[in-house]
Amino acid sequence: QQQVKQSPQSLIVQKGGISIINCAYENTAFDYFPWYQQFPGKGPALLIAIRPDVSEKKEGRFTISFNKSAKQFSLHIMDSQPGDSATYFCAARFPGYSSASKIIFGSGTRLSIRP
Amino acid sequence: AAGVIQSPRHLIKEKRETATLKCYPIPRHDTVYWYQQGPGQDPQFLISFYEKMQSDKGSIPDRFSAQQFSDYHSELNMSSLELGDSALYFCASSTTGLKNTDTQYFGPGTRLTVL
Repeated sequence: QQQVKQSPQSLIVQKGGISIINCAYENTAFDYFPWYQQFPGKGPALLIAIRPDVSEKKEGRFTISFNKSAKQFSLHIMDSQPGDSATYFCAARFPGYSSASKIIFGSGTRLSIRP
Repeated sequence: AAGVIQSPRHLIKEKRETATLKCYPIPRHDTVYWYQQGPGQDPQFLISFYEKMQSDKGSIPDRFSAQQFSDYHSELNMSSLELGDSALYFCASSTTGLKNTDTQYFGPGTRLTVL
């Protein structure tokens, strides 16, 4: 059972376009929602993250939109570039409260930006 | 900035052999996580350690064990290797404190191939 559902599985966007990846979750105990970018053969790299008390966070060309009532969040990549081609994972964190927390990953979206 | 270090980067073993993967967290990070990622899959949480104690356990086979040492580095020991253990193994580290603001930073991974 996937606790964090991610779509689409793959996405092709023209250079300069907007890439949008969506995620949904059920467990309201999640307290932190990071997005990771992964290139082939590399480890996931933290891209941007948001807490549930914030509706939007923007860092450069990357924006997270968060809808707490709908339990959905999305990543928007503006002016998509070929170098953005990678697999993107949304994730959600169970808080640890004095112990280690746990990150639950979505299934990933393979993004290809066409030149 | 210092990142998570994993060794070896690549490892080839025969079935039924043992393997040891090592992880050196970012300096001053007290929490280590291990993940397994199969081809085209999202990272699956295996186990975590906080202050040298096991904190949480995920889908880690009984054939695997791990520990965190006094210098906070961690080792994942894998015995009776099976073909299905072939995967990328990632270590991540974070700080876990009263504020619980930890963000997990991933290492480059160890690619294990079992023949």
